[in-house]
Amino acid sequence: DSGVTQTPKHLITATGQRVTLRCSPRSGDLSVYWYQQSLDQGLQFLIQYYNGEERAKGNILERFSAQQFPDLHSELNLSSLELGDSALYFCASSVGDKNIQYFGAGTRLSVL
Amino acid sequence: AQRVTQPEKLLSVFKGAPVELKCNYSYSGSPELFWYVQYSRQRLQLLLRHISRESIKGFTADLNKGETSFHLKKPFAQEEDSAMYYCALSGSYNNAGNMLTFGGGTRLMVKP
Repeated sequence: DSGVTQTPKHLITATGQRVTLRCSPRSGDLSVYWYQQSLDQGLQFLIQYYNGEERAKGNILERFSAQQFPDLHSELNLSSLELGDSALYFCASSVGDKNIQYFGAGTRLSVL
Repeated sequence: AQRVTQPEKLLSVFKGAPVELKCNYSYSGSPELFWYVQYSRQRLQLLLRHISRESIKGFTADLNKGETSFHLKKPFAQEEDSAMYYCALSGSYNNAGNMLTFGGGTRLMVKP
């Protein structure tokens, strides 16, 4: 077990709604990363936080936002959900800014 | 822009046969490359990191900068090797952060 915890495991919601995905990094890890895995786009980097601050931003939609809290857990907020947002959302963490990333089990989001 | 290509979506071999999962990349700087594996119903796990140059579960991978490749090899496949394999490149985003760019993945099926 890598120690990265994601909740919930599954989320079913409707179009137009807003959801929050939560990630707790491994103990001692300062960086948190979010990735989206969809059938058509594969695994894509969304955003990275390091010690509470945004570090790098990838292909993240404006409807999506994230933050990292003082206790280092992170939340990914997805709003105005569309059918195409249905995907697996992975969180990963690493010790520093440029170290090996360890992945959580993911949250499967289904937008109906 | 950085890109990782895994040309085979599916690779099917018999137990005991050699395996080679192909990975090609494009990156303007000095790349750091990884192989991640995802067994059925499990999270992504780090399998190999090119700078460590070690063999894990019998798998090896050599970075060939001339051919921009990082192919994963195993001389004798085992049924328990059946999984999804992702090649990933770690590169900074605008000189900050540590995003992973993933290939599309190759599903390895090892038949008895």
